[in-house]
Amino acid sequence: EDKVVQSPLSLVVHEGDTVTLNCSYEVTNFRSLLWYKQEKKAPTFLFMLTSSGIEKKSGRLSSILDKKELFSILNITATQTGDSAVYLCAAEGWGKLQFGAGTQVVVTP
Amino acid sequence: KAGVTQTPRYLIKTRGQQVTLSCSPISGHRSVSWYQQTPGQGLQFLFEYFSETQRNKGNFPGRFSGRQFSNSRSEMNVSTLELGDSALYLCASSLRASGGPSYEQYFGPGTRLTVT
Repeated sequence: EDKVVQSPLSLVVHEGDTVTLNCSYEVTNFRSLLWYKQEKKAPTFLFMLTSSGIEKKSGRLSSILDKKELFSILNITATQTGDSAVYLCAAEGWGKLQFGAGTQVVVTP
Repeated sequence: KAGVTQTPRYLIKTRGQQVTLSCSPISGHRSVSWYQQTPGQGLQFLFEYFSETQRNKGNFPGRFSGRQFSNSRSEMNVSTLELGDSALYLCASSLRASGGPSYEQYFGPGTRLTVT
């Protein structure tokens, strides 16, 4: 059965801290790993990873995929209160996204 | 470019009724997927449409159905509503073509369905 597991489920950090979010997956016909940020609305796209070992960066966020060990990490450096959200990872197999439960990140001032 | 739009944004129905939700994808996107999000189950895949054909289906009962029109707009229908169908229904569109590479999926704002 396909599954995506995220850890931790939640964390609280102070502004300026660095956070690392984990995502492991077992998905049939895996093709890509996606990260989304969800505040109190629809998920917004962050990254899509298809190749192992190639880091993708966008500002203070970065992500990398390990297709051998079947996991991905999302890093957020110099966190800000605006980073408070649920971060979702999803493994894609032929167009179908299998989502993890998400990691709730709370950044305190 | 306009994003994915969904209508209505909020809906209240009673058990046993049926409901139709609508989704207009980003211009140029021909793949539309539907997801259900609940606090208990998280985000779950319902189905995907491409060129008016259902290409992929999740593990939901037959009460959940959908279709796609020639302009790529999509509708999903839930018949004989149950209390457990209360959820946020999200649609996502992408450039994914048949047998092609992966593309990111962009989500619409969702339709919040409440079944009483």
